[in-house]
Amino acid sequence: KNQVEQSPQSLIILEGKNCTLQCNYTVSPFSNLRWYKQDTGRGPVSLTIMTFSENTKSNGRYTATLDADTKQSSLHITASQLSDSASYICVVTDTTSGTYKYIFGTGTRLKVLA
Amino acid sequence: SQTIHQWPATLVQPVGSPLSLECTVEGTSNPNLYWYRQAAGRGLQLLFYSVGIGQISSEVPQNLSASRPQDRQFILSSKKLLLSDSGFYLCACATRRGETQYFGPGTRLLVL
Repeated sequence: KNQVEQSPQSLIILEGKNCTLQCNYTVSPFSNLRWYKQDTGRGPVSLTIMTFSENTKSNGRYTATLDADTKQSSLHITASQLSDSASYICVVTDTTSGTYKYIFGTGTRLKVLA
Repeated sequence: SQTIHQWPATLVQPVGSPLSLECTVEGTSNPNLYWYRQAAGRGLQLLFYSVGIGQISSEVPQNLSASRPQDRQFILSSKKLLLSDSGFYLCACATRRGETQYFGPGTRLLVL
């Protein structure tokens, strides 16, 4: 079972609408949680990073939340634009044995329609 | 800020042929370097990471190998490609362990 689960797998919304992507993880211990945006055929780009003591972090129209007690995170996109069409990947840093290994979710594929 | 170059962007190779993918980094010194593979519909899988010249750690047993001949050069190789080696290969770097990893543009490999 993957230690980082994302939902939904895919999502289609109309331009201008808001959406929320979910991430549940079991990685423990962990140092931080990141959200990346990956355009088709490109490398992922970091959007936000939160330590276990942070509850929310914003980057423009992107707002990430973290509940370390329930091991859940969400990424909220406000007033979506066509350029938001991409895969969004939740990544948790595993600090077991000091490895700081990235544990990746399988991503949510978002499609924004005009 | 660092810039990561990967080439080629796309590669089609026959089964049994050798492979060499190159990754070079600009804008940072002594970075941690990573090779990932991304299969369709699956999360990124760490293949190798390196904390310095000549220092390679392998995460999963496989048909591939990695080398770091220079501080900012990371090479992924294979002597004989398998069909299962097809995928999207990403190189990443971080200034040090635990810091944000920055990804290159990727190489799409198709083994036929």
